[in-house]
Amino acid sequence: GQNIDQPTEMTATEGAIVQINCTYQTSGFNGLFWYQQHAGEAPTFLSYNVLDGLEEKGRFSSFLSRSKGYSYLLLKELQMKDSASYLCAVRDQGYNKLIFGAGTRLAVHP
Amino acid sequence: DTGVSQDPRHKITKRGQNVTFRCDPISEHNRLYWYRQTLGQGPEFLTYFQNEAQLEKSRLLSDRFSAERPKGSFSTLEIQRTEQGDSAMYLCASSLDGGVYEQYFGPGTRLTVT
Repeated sequence: GQNIDQPTEMTATEGAIVQINCTYQTSGFNGLFWYQQHAGEAPTFLSYNVLDGLEEKGRFSSFLSRSKGYSYLLLKELQMKDSASYLCAVRDQGYNKLIFGAGTRLAVHP
Repeated sequence: DTGVSQDPRHKITKRGQNVTFRCDPISEHNRLYWYRQTLGQGPEFLTYFQNEAQLEKSRLLSDRFSAERPKGSFSTLEIQRTEQGDSAMYLCASSLDGGVYEQYFGPGTRLTVT
């Protein structure tokens, strides 16, 4: 079966660092994606991992361990505009569909 | 604007009616995907096209749903005999073929079945 787990909600303070975890069990794996989705808007791409290790893009970093079926998204220097849902998604084999988790709603407080 | 566009943005219909949604992908993208998202959940895959060929359809998709991409450009998703359970946001995404290419999502069509 296909299963992607991430926490439902998290809260953090402006300027702080937050780590959003994602664990997955899928029949195929061809990369892990993180998307950000503000309420009522489309998901927007944040990061992509296909090999083990850390990928850094500005204030956002994403880590992957394929042997553990685990990823995290690290957000640094949090800003109020980072309040959104963060979606972890595994790409099925063959560069095809994305299988999404339910998303983690992050609330950033002053 | 050269992103993915969807029309209409909102649709309210009565149970039993048919509805059709349109998606215009980014012009050079040959892959097009349809997803459905309900409140508090992540997008759920429905179907995808490579050019005009529909290559995969979710087993969750009933026979009331059909999608086309006749010329390999825009796509339509039709729902026949709508049910209240069809109420959701219908998202379209497009991408280049293979590699590290991410999927770009459109703004979605919010369907409400009354």
